[in-house]
Amino acid sequence: GDSVTQMEGPVTLSEEAFLTINCTYTATGYPSLFWYVQYPGEGLQLLLKATKADDKGSNKGFEATYRKETTSFHLEKGSVQVSDSAVYFCALVTGGGNKLTFGTGTQLKVEL
Amino acid sequence: NAGVTQTPKFQVLKTGQSMTLQCAQDMNHNSMYWYRQDPGMGLRLIYYSASEGTTDKGEVPNGYNVSRLNKREFSLRLESAAPSQTSVYFCASSGGVAPYNEQFFGPGTRLTVL
Repeated sequence: GDSVTQMEGPVTLSEEAFLTINCTYTATGYPSLFWYVQYPGEGLQLLLKATKADDKGSNKGFEATYRKETTSFHLEKGSVQVSDSAVYFCALVTGGGNKLTFGTGTQLKVEL
Repeated sequence: NAGVTQTPKFQVLKTGQSMTLQCAQDMNHNSMYWYRQDPGMGLRLIYYSASEGTTDKGEVPNGYNVSRLNKREFSLRLESAAPSQTSVYFCASSGGVAPYNEQFFGPGTRLTVL
């Protein structure tokens, strides 16, 4: 079946540091890929998405590129802020369906 | 525009008690979902409803039942709560056309079963 593997957290960074959160996947078919963010005490929000190979999703300074050859969708940000502290989830959907498969989440802590 | 709303926000139950978690969306979405979130396990799909009048099991349906009351509302029922059902429960909805299947999430219900 489909699966998503994320790097384990927590990831602790200083403000203005560069962020990478790794995500790899296995899927039958050709998935669409997503990053969701969960701020403390809240539900998940879509951060960015990509629907075909080499697409780059971007939002709020975050970027991720759909790499079919390495089955990866790594999340990056050039300069993190304290307000980016949250849990980040990589997810996929296949076959035009609606059921998302989530990774286990990576907690990011950004300190001054 | 409230999006996806869930009630209650917090609940404490004793083993064997029953309860219903309520979810409503005002985005006219066809599909609705119930997930549970446990530490180190991400979100796991309990049940989903692709459209009004239909429901299907997800990854972890045992111990739960659902009702798609109408297009707006999708409830999750625990008939006899167990400590293993202590979790945070999220409802979500989607109405997009594949592959733009963005799901919109509610704020969650934190359930503790003693």
